[in-house]
Amino acid sequence: QVQLVQSGAEVKKPGASVKVSCRASGYAFTQFGINWVRQARGQGLEWVGWVSGDNGSTYYAQRLQGRVALTTDPSTNTAYMELRSLTSDDTAVYFCARLLRAGWILYFDSWGQGTLVTVSS
Amino acid sequence: DIQMTQSPYSLSASIGDSVTITCRAGHNIGNYLNWYQQKPGKAPALLIYAASTLQSGVPSRFSGSGSGTDFTLTISSLQAEDFATYYCQQSYITAYTFGQGTRLEIK
Repeated sequence: QVQLVQSGAEVKKPGASVKVSCRASGYAFTQFGINWVRQARGQGLEWVGWVSGDNGSTYYAQRLQGRVALTTDPSTNTAYMELRSLTSDDTAVYFCARLLRAGWILYFDSWGQGTLVTVSS
Repeated sequence: DIQMTQSPYSLSASIGDSVTITCRAGHNIGNYLNWYQQKPGKAPALLIYAASTLQSGVPSRFSGSGSGTDFTLTISSLQAEDFATYYCQQSYITAYTFGQGTRLEIK
C-alpha cells in the first residue's frame, strides 16, 4: 500500500533553515508529484508547494517564494522540503501528500504523518 | 490564488442528524473541488474528489455536489466517528488552496 513516512520533529532558532524528508513506498515514485502542506496549531491547512516526481519541476505558494525549496531523490524515493530564514510564524506541522491525477482531476490521496517544526529562540 | 470560503466555521449536531457544509470558490473552478476530513493529531484524509466522487472506502452517508463556484458536502445520519474538521480544496490551478475548515462538534 502507499505510504509516506516523514522525518522527526525539529526545533530551530529564528533565522535558521530546516529540511524535512518524506520517504515514499508502495508505488512508482517518479510517476506522481508530492505536495507539501502546513498547519499551524489550531489553524487550517496552508498549501506550501508541489514538486514533480520525475523531473523535479516545482511550484511554490507565492507567500513562501524565495524561502522554500522542494526537491526529490528518486534513487531513495524521497522528497524534501527546505525552508530558510525561519520565523516564529513558520512554527507548524508540515505534511507531505501524494498528488493523484485521474484524467484532468487532481487530488491528494495519501498523506505523511506530519512533522512538527518549532521555531523558538 | 483562488480563495476558498467555507461556511459555517463550526457546527454542532447530534448523532443521527444530517448536516451540510458549504464551500465557495472565488473563481469558476468547474468540478475541481475536493473534500478532506481531519481528526485531531492526524493528517487529513480524502473524502470526495471531483466535487462528487466518493474516495474508495468512504461511507455512502458522505456526498458532495456543486460546480462552478458553489459546492456542498452533506453527511447524512451522523456517526460518532464523523465529528472532525472538514476542508474543501480547489485543484483548478496549481496553487491548491484550501478553505479555512469547518469544525463539526457533537451537540
